[in-house]
Amino acid sequence: AQTVTQSQPEMSVQEAETVTLSCTYDTSESNYYLFWYKQPPSRQMILVIRQEAYKQQNATENRFSVNFQKAAKSFSLKISDSQLGDTAMYFCAFSRRADNYGQNFVFGPGTRLSVLP
Amino acid sequence: NAGVTQTPKFQVLKTGQSMTLQCAQDMNHEYMSWYRQDPGMGLRLIHYSVGAGITDQGEVPNGYNVSRSTTEDFPLRLLSAAPSQTSVYFCASSYAGGSGYTFGSGTRLTVV
Repeated sequence: AQTVTQSQPEMSVQEAETVTLSCTYDTSESNYYLFWYKQPPSRQMILVIRQEAYKQQNATENRFSVNFQKAAKSFSLKISDSQLGDTAMYFCAFSRRADNYGQNFVFGPGTRLSVLP
Repeated sequence: NAGVTQTPKFQVLKTGQSMTLQCAQDMNHEYMSWYRQDPGMGLRLIHYSVGAGITDQGEVPNGYNVSRSTTEDFPLRLLSAAPSQTSVYFCASSYAGGSGYTFGSGTRLTVV
C-alpha cells in the first residue's frame, strides 16, 4: 500500500519570502502521479500542481514549483514570493498511474502554512 | 459554472438517524469518489465509482452506501449515523489518466 508523509504539521513564512513544504511517499510502483492541493479557510480543495513520475523535469505553475526526487521518493513544494492568499492547508497526494481513474489517491496529513504580513 | 456541487454544506444529525449527501458534476467525468477529512489524517477514501452502475469500496467504507445510476450523480448515504462519522465530507470527480480531482465544496457533518 502507498503512504504519503508530510513531516511539517505547521509552517509560517513572511510575505514575499520563499517557503518549501516537504512530502515523502512510499510505493513500489514505477509509474504514478503526484499532486499538491491547497485548502484555504473556505475549505475548498484546489489543485496547485501535478507531476508525472516518468517525467524528470520538475513541474512549475507560476510561483509554485516542485522538487521531485524519484529515487528518494520526495516531492517538495516551493512557494516563491509568498502572498497572504497562500495561507492554507497544503496536502500532498499520490495516485497510481496504473489506475486509469485514479481511484487510489492517497493523501498526506497536510501542512498548515501561515503567511505573515 | 462547471464543477462539482455538494449539498448540504452543513448538517447536524442525531445518533441513529440516516441521511444522504448529494453530489453532482456537470463535466462528464467518469470517475467520482467520496472522501472524509479528519484533523491530522488528511483525506480518506470512502467509496468510489468508475462509471454509471459501477461502485467500489475505499479505505473507510463501513457505515456508508453509494450508488451511481447516472454519470452526473453520486450520492452518499449514511445508514445509521454515529458520532465517529462526524467529519467533513468531500465529493470529487476526474477524467482518467491522473488529471487530478475536481472537488466539491464539502459538507460539514456533526453527529450528536
